[in-house]
Amino acid sequence: GAVVSQHPSRVICKSGTSVKIECRSLDFQATTMFWYRQFPKQSLMLMATSNEGSKATYEQGVEKDKFLINHASLTLSTLTVTSAHPEDSSFYICSASSAGGGNTEAFFGQGTRLTVV
Amino acid sequence: AQSVTQLDSQVPVFEEAPVELRCNYSSSVSVYLFWYVQYPNQGLQLLLKYLSGSTLVESINGFEAEFNKSQTSFHLRKPSVHISDTAEYFCAVSENQGGKLIFGQGTELSVKP
Repeated sequence: GAVVSQHPSRVICKSGTSVKIECRSLDFQATTMFWYRQFPKQSLMLMATSNEGSKATYEQGVEKDKFLINHASLTLSTLTVTSAHPEDSSFYICSASSAGGGNTEAFFGQGTRLTVV
Repeated sequence: AQSVTQLDSQVPVFEEAPVELRCNYSSSVSVYLFWYVQYPNQGLQLLLKYLSGSTLVESINGFEAEFNKSQTSFHLRKPSVHISDTAEYFCAVSENQGGKLIFGQGTELSVKP
């Protein structure tokens, strides 16, 4: 199956700093990538959808200036949490899919555990 | 709008017993249905999916799910569980192939010896 690699798997940062999370599709071209957030013992909530070369579409209630998403190539999307605060601590997971490639699912990365102290 | 409801937040069961994890969905259009499994501090692994055709779908590790359109359900079953099946299970729907997923709240399956 297709492989999506997410990096880093864990990160601890100080309050007020920014953190970048990378999501790479290793063996297919990901025209669309999705970013989800998962709080402890809760479900995954979609934050935004990004299409290669276009601005990301954010879900209601997600601050686009705080969660910067870049999808500049067909194999890489990044999520930058700017001016992180303890309430941003969460598990962030990306998924990627290719349009027209016969894929009928989006493939998930391993997730990034962000802890803001 | 779509929604997914997993009726049980926790399901404790003894090893080798059968289990059913319930999932109901709501949608005004046709959907694709998925079950994912998540082990602690890991990403999601696709367990099985329903796209079209036979309403009964199976995974390689003994799980199966049946799409019931009239009841808008996609319950997950396994006739005999193992300790290693202990994990969080998420039901999800999507309108499009490879599109965004709407997840249920998750069901924590705990298999005890």
